[in-house]
Amino acid sequence: SQQGEEDPQALSIQEGENATMNCSYKTSINNLQWYRQNSGRGLVHLILIRSNEREKHSGRLRVTLDTSKKSSSLLITASRAADTASYFCATDFMGSTLGRLYFGRGTQLTVWP
Amino acid sequence: ETGVTQSPTHLIKTRGQQVTLRCSSQSGHNTVSWYQQALGQGPQFIFQYYREEENGRGNFPPRFSGLQFPNYSSELNVNALELDDSALYLCASTQGGGAGETQYFGPGTRLLVL
Repeated sequence: SQQGEEDPQALSIQEGENATMNCSYKTSINNLQWYRQNSGRGLVHLILIRSNEREKHSGRLRVTLDTSKKSSSLLITASRAADTASYFCATDFMGSTLGRLYFGRGTQLTVWP
Repeated sequence: ETGVTQSPTHLIKTRGQQVTLRCSSQSGHNTVSWYQQALGQGPQFIFQYYREEENGRGNFPPRFSGLQFPNYSSELNVNALELDDSALYLCASTQGGGAGETQYFGPGTRLLVL
């Protein structure tokens, strides 16, 4: 079963606009990661945020984590056509020592030139 | 690039056949996880190998099996292929095998079962 769920399922914006994707999960976690996937190829790691962190930045990416609401958001600022991809959040389970990740179904982001 | 490689890139098999997929982990990584991603879905965990031992398994039947070699490369074997096994198979490597580690994914093998 899916632990995480991304929202919206699809997002279409113009270049230069900001894109916000949300992720909700069901059980307490150690960490949450965001990945990008281009055209059904391999996953590219974007950011890992730990359960004791609230916000992280990496270039044009900003990730927030609210453990009380069991949710996270990924903000991509000043989007580019090259950002067109599927974005997945992936979580583990709190207390788990196994590096197993649970993925949602992803958000398909399309950035129009 | 993540340094994780997979072969072959694409594969077509018929129902009932057996398939072997291969993964070379990133240098210095001793843990490999395998995931199955059906069309339109997120990846689902199959199993993980840490230092040549199976370290955890998802909800997949025993006809999905694996190996990890002393150089930490890995194989995924699927016997008695079914149509629903058609998917993208991803491997990911990490150091240490435990939670909280960034997993680095390969480009995947796309398997089509006819």
